[in-house]
Amino acid sequence: DTEVTQTPKHLVMGMTNKKSLKCEQHMGHRAMYWYKQKAKKPPELMFVYSYEKLSINESVPSRFSPECPNSSLLNLHLHALQPEDSALYLCASSQEVVNTGELFFGEGSRLTVL
Amino acid sequence: SQQGEEDPQALSIQEGENATMNCSYKTSINNLQWYRQNSGRGLVHLILIRSNEREKHSGRLRVTLDTSKKSSSLLITASRAADTASYFCATDAGGTDKLIFGTGTRLQVFP
Repeated sequence: DTEVTQTPKHLVMGMTNKKSLKCEQHMGHRAMYWYKQKAKKPPELMFVYSYEKLSINESVPSRFSPECPNSSLLNLHLHALQPEDSALYLCASSQEVVNTGELFFGEGSRLTVL
Repeated sequence: SQQGEEDPQALSIQEGENATMNCSYKTSINNLQWYRQNSGRGLVHLILIRSNEREKHSGRLRVTLDTSKKSSSLLITASRAADTASYFCATDAGGTDKLIFGTGTRLQVFP
């Protein structure tokens, strides 16, 4: 099983809503990532988890709150978002984070904030 | 800040032609990777080249790395319409635990 599964595929939310994006992998990977991608731009790193601990936060606003309940799951909790937060949110995993080898990406969750 | 800049930003070719994309980066690296992304989809890993390697092949893909110039190129030979996608280089940004993506090249292959 070499898949990273993200749900939901599409999400529309208002600025006062609270929602969550979910990511799951069963490859035994110990590093998981959240990236944000705007149209026609490269993915931008948001968070890195290594062995279920947050190791990197790229100065992401607190309205984005990551959570890693176990080694297979990664969540991104969303609260009080702004329209400019509308983007494709990509989850990825890798065997280890050191020397960052190949990343396996999910298909992404497309978020629209009204 | 972005680690990699790619050129061209966009490339249009006919099926059967070769496509070359270039990537320049700013800091020292342990490895450089290339990824492909079909429109609005997830990224797929193509190839990884380590800093002590100069060239690597995988099927129709050929990647070169010049650490003295901080640059890499991706060559796709005998392109197919199915190769139409965006291609990104990515580096580990000076041996950190981050994988940082370049600006990308949008490749269009016409049948």
